[in-house]
Amino acid sequence: DAGITQSPRHKVTETGTPVTLRCHQTENHRYMYWYRQDPGHGLRLIHYSYGVKDTDKGEVSDGYSVSRSKTEDFLLTLESATSSQTSVYFCAISGSEGQPQHFGDGTRLSIL
Amino acid sequence: DQQVKQNSPSLSVQEGRISILNCDYTNSMFDYFLWYKKYPAEGPTFLISISSIKDKNEDGRFTVFLNKSAKHLSLHIVPSQPGDSAVYFCAARPFSGNTGKLIFGQGTTLQVKP
Repeated sequence: DAGITQSPRHKVTETGTPVTLRCHQTENHRYMYWYRQDPGHGLRLIHYSYGVKDTDKGEVSDGYSVSRSKTEDFLLTLESATSSQTSVYFCAISGSEGQPQHFGDGTRLSIL
Repeated sequence: DQQVKQNSPSLSVQEGRISILNCDYTNSMFDYFLWYKKYPAEGPTFLISISSIKDKNEDGRFTVFLNKSAKHLSLHIVPSQPGDSAVYFCAARPFSGNTGKLIFGQGTTLQVKP
């Protein structure tokens, strides 16, 4: 298995609070991605990173920000969580744009 | 608009028979296609891929077919086993330079009955 750890694995929080999800990899891969999975939508890309401090938006980036200060860590932040952000969040990594992405086991986030 | 579509939310087959999962796409600029398999409470795992310059790729019991004129992708599993029961996602990569971004379909839940 690719060395990807997502934390926390489960979180329940209230609307309006800030939330940060962490993705940690031990593969020294250049590319890292954050997706959300919702019924009927499959996986949708939120943000991605192609190197330290190099990030860009995906298709559903509103309400989310990311940071990558080290190769191994990619943080996803919900500045002010809303109920529509209740979802399962997956981090993925790949060594190059031509390689398949490998996924972590996800974070289940519930916003009440 | 959904650029990658899996129109069948679920599929049920008997053990030993063939499972065929389908995927349609709208963007002719996709250059690479992948299938992922997902068990509950786990992340998706990569299964098989195909480049847009090919029309078939095989790996053991899994074969992916690509019909570019129809913008259609399919995954064949032969023979199907109960352990294949999972959600299957197809994904496509736009030819967009150096990002590796993927666009996923909605997923198809496969149930293989013993």
